[in-house]
Amino acid sequence: RKEVEQDPGPFNVPEGATVAFNCTYSNSASQSFFWYRQDCRKEPKLLMSVYSSGNEDGRFTAQLNRASQYISLLIRDSKLSDSATYLCVVNSGSARQLTFGSGTQLTVLP
Amino acid sequence: GAVVSQHPSWVICKSGTSVKIECRSLDFQATTMFWYRQFPKQSLMLMATSNEGSKATYEQGVEKDKFLINHASLTLSTLTVTSAHPEDSSFYICSVGGKDNQPQHFGDGTRLSIL
Repeated sequence: RKEVEQDPGPFNVPEGATVAFNCTYSNSASQSFFWYRQDCRKEPKLLMSVYSSGNEDGRFTAQLNRASQYISLLIRDSKLSDSATYLCVVNSGSARQLTFGSGTQLTVLP
Repeated sequence: GAVVSQHPSWVICKSGTSVKIECRSLDFQATTMFWYRQFPKQSLMLMATSNEGSKATYEQGVEKDKFLINHASLTLSTLTVTSAHPEDSSFYICSVGGKDNQPQHFGDGTRLSIL
């Protein structure tokens, strides 16, 4: 079983749609959680950290369920510029090493 | 602004060549930097953790004699791919940060193509 699992997609949605991505992680000792976005042939860029209480940044909402070891990302009112691969990333301990999911590809269509 | 600067961004060279990639922390002194590799349509895989003033820690399956890491200062880590072969062609990315559960920030990446 992979340490961090994501639905690879691709998700093709029209502009304005709401789309949700899910992610599960296997290490119950994981301490911090992030969503990064990666554009084609570019480095990952931090989208948002994920907190236990859930957090929102504009059109983006992240949720964490530690009991189920499940993380989600909701994007509302999708824009063309949201097209990218979304990476679920988990930090599993004091070594500060990140474990990446394989990414979920999103294409927002006009 | 950028937190990490990585250079070069693109390298094309012949098989057998050694290639050096630099990673600079711009905003703070980084005692630890991370080197990742990403093959097409795959996720990032941690290769090694670079430690300032001491030996790097390599992940299982990563040859330390092939991927030489030097972290001689608090702002610079280098990765040298020695005697590179076509199978070493990949996207190499460094990162800094991650302390106290904070996110890591990535360099622009280096796309290495070995002919």
